[in-house]
Amino acid sequence: DQQVKQNSPSLSVQEGRISILNCDYTNSMFDYFLWYKKYPAEGPTFLISISSIKDKNEDGRFTVFLNKSAKHLSLHIVPSQPGDSAVYFCAASAGAGGTSYGKLTFGQGTILTVHP
Amino acid sequence: DTGVSQNPRHKITKRGQNVTFRCDPISEHNRLYWYRQTLGQGPEFLTYFQNEAQLEKSRLLSDRFSAERPKGSFSTLEIQRTEQGDSAMYLCASSLDRGAAFLKEKLFFGSGTQLSVL
Repeated sequence: DQQVKQNSPSLSVQEGRISILNCDYTNSMFDYFLWYKKYPAEGPTFLISISSIKDKNEDGRFTVFLNKSAKHLSLHIVPSQPGDSAVYFCAASAGAGGTSYGKLTFGQGTILTVHP
Repeated sequence: DTGVSQNPRHKITKRGQNVTFRCDPISEHNRLYWYRQTLGQGPEFLTYFQNEAQLEKSRLLSDRFSAERPKGSFSTLEIQRTEQGDSAMYLCASSLDRGAAFLKEKLFFGSGTQLSVL
């Protein structure tokens, strides 16, 4: 039962262009959503988050959009840089349900490659 | 702040052996999490501690798995009678819970322990 899905295993983008990574979820109890970035041989690193009461959150080159009715979120990276090449994980939490916001359900990940 | 430290980085063991991993969280963090990641998948939640108390365990955590966090500092994850299906990356994360639900905690992950069961 995959409650968080990233249907694109990989994405290739030219430097300077926009990268759009997508994520779908099924559990209506999720109220907090995050994106993590992971380089080889390292643990995941927090990138950006959004609460379910918002539909957009922006941090520099990174913007996360949340469409609750469609149970869909996306991460936009503009402009993309070669250093952004990594695995990106979408994650969700149902902390308002009484559990910890640190109990995350992750998607399978999308490998982003940004070409110079 | 040296981040979350996990040891060993790699562990190779034979099926049926016991293994133990250690995690040292960021010093002021009161919550500690264990996750497991297999190839091609995202991390999966296993268990978490608030100080020394283990508050939640996933059904993924069979009775062969045990985690402890004595004195609310470092944590150990032991797997008894390892099976080939236990081969995975075991990730530890820590966070600071400030006691208000709206202050959503941010997890800081270690680099993980890669377990290979032969």
